[in-house]
Amino acid sequence: SQQGEEDPQALSIQEGENATMNCSYKTSINNLQWYRQNSGRGLVHLILIRSNEREKHSGRLRVTLDTSKKSSSLLITASRAADTASYFCATESRMDSSYKLIFGSGTRLLVRP
Amino acid sequence: DTGVSQNPRHKITKRGQNVTFRCDPISEHNRLYWYRQTLGQGPEFLTYFQNEAQLEKSRLLSDRFSAERPKGSFSTLEIQRTEQGDSAMYLCASSHRDLGAYEQYFGPGTRLTVT
Repeated sequence: SQQGEEDPQALSIQEGENATMNCSYKTSINNLQWYRQNSGRGLVHLILIRSNEREKHSGRLRVTLDTSKKSSSLLITASRAADTASYFCATESRMDSSYKLIFGSGTRLLVRP
Repeated sequence: DTGVSQNPRHKITKRGQNVTFRCDPISEHNRLYWYRQTLGQGPEFLTYFQNEAQLEKSRLLSDRFSAERPKGSFSTLEIQRTEQGDSAMYLCASSHRDLGAYEQYFGPGTRLTVT
């Protein structure tokens, strides 16, 4: 079963606007990662935030992590039509020596030109 | 670094047939994972190899599924007596934590359709 829930399930915005996606998870984690998936393709790693970090930036991406609430958010600023994709959060459990990823259900983002 | 490759990209098979998928990870990566993704859902973990050793299997991996990674290089995932419920995207990923990299690199996936 999947670890977390993502909110919203779908998001439609105009090019240039910001997009915010939220993720909640259940167990103690080593880190939380965000991945992007274009329709019918593999996943591309976007950004990783460790459990002892609260915020991280990479280009137009900003990720926050609140371990007390077991939640994270991904902000994409100044969105572009090319950002249209599904976005997934994935966690690595602290209890897990395999370091497998447990994915949320994803947010489908549509950026209208 | 040519990335993770998977073959075939698409497979259509009739119920009851056996299928085999191949994954070639990034060459220096010692960890290899298989995930399954159904439409509208996030990937779900199936199994994990460290080098040639299969160290964990999900309960999703029934007796009809078997995976190997001979010599710690490429990996194969075989599904015997396929069922319609096996229709999904099968994703392979590799990583090398010993190099300080925690992210997983995914292949393009193999989309299986069981008719």
